[in-house]
Amino acid sequence: DVKVTQSSRYLVKRTGEKVFLECVQDMDHENMFWYRQDPGLGLRLIYFSYDVKMKEKGDIPEGYSVSREKKERFSLILESASTNQTSMYLCASSFGSGSTDTQYFGPGTRLTVL
Amino acid sequence: GDSVTQMEGPVTLSEEAFLTINCTYTATGYPSLFWYVQYPGEGLQLLLKATKADDKGSNKGFEATYRKETTSFHLEKGSVQVSDSAVYFCALKGYSSASKIIFGSGTRLSIRP
Repeated sequence: DVKVTQSSRYLVKRTGEKVFLECVQDMDHENMFWYRQDPGLGLRLIYFSYDVKMKEKGDIPEGYSVSREKKERFSLILESASTNQTSMYLCASSFGSGSTDTQYFGPGTRLTVL
Repeated sequence: GDSVTQMEGPVTLSEEAFLTINCTYTATGYPSLFWYVQYPGEGLQLLLKATKADDKGSNKGFEATYRKETTSFHLEKGSVQVSDSAVYFCALKGYSSASKIIFGSGTRLSIRP
């Protein structure tokens, strides 16, 4: 089974702090994704990566950056956390980018910014 | 652009009731369609998918048929269980390899014993 793990299930940070969310997948997938999930808004894509050291902006990249130094690891960085970044963050990976490819999700990190 | 619209929740049903969660989409070309489920405290997992018109995806007693003429992919189950309580997301992915998955806003389903 594909396993996608995220470094923390719950995280509480203060406004202005730099926050790192880590995601690791164990199936040699090419593609990795970061989403945020908010009530009534579904999932919104923040950033994605099709290969090591490559990154593409999603729909809501402002206030975030990412890093992919190794194929299995994709990090989401909040340079200076703000209260409107309080959310559930979901990482996902997929083998290919074809129309039928399934994304596999981690359990999520619930981030609270005070 | 491409979009997915699904019925708003929450939906509350009694055990063994019939379930329908409506999903319609707007897309150019021939997208693939998905239903993902999120159980409490977990990430999303694929429930079923259909990749072309008239295909029926099925899993765990759930079914959905890709209807191009009505641009719909409604989720159905004949007899729900308490363990089906979760949030359900309809999604599409375009044919192009550059396409991203577009998710609906999710429908929360609660089943009463």
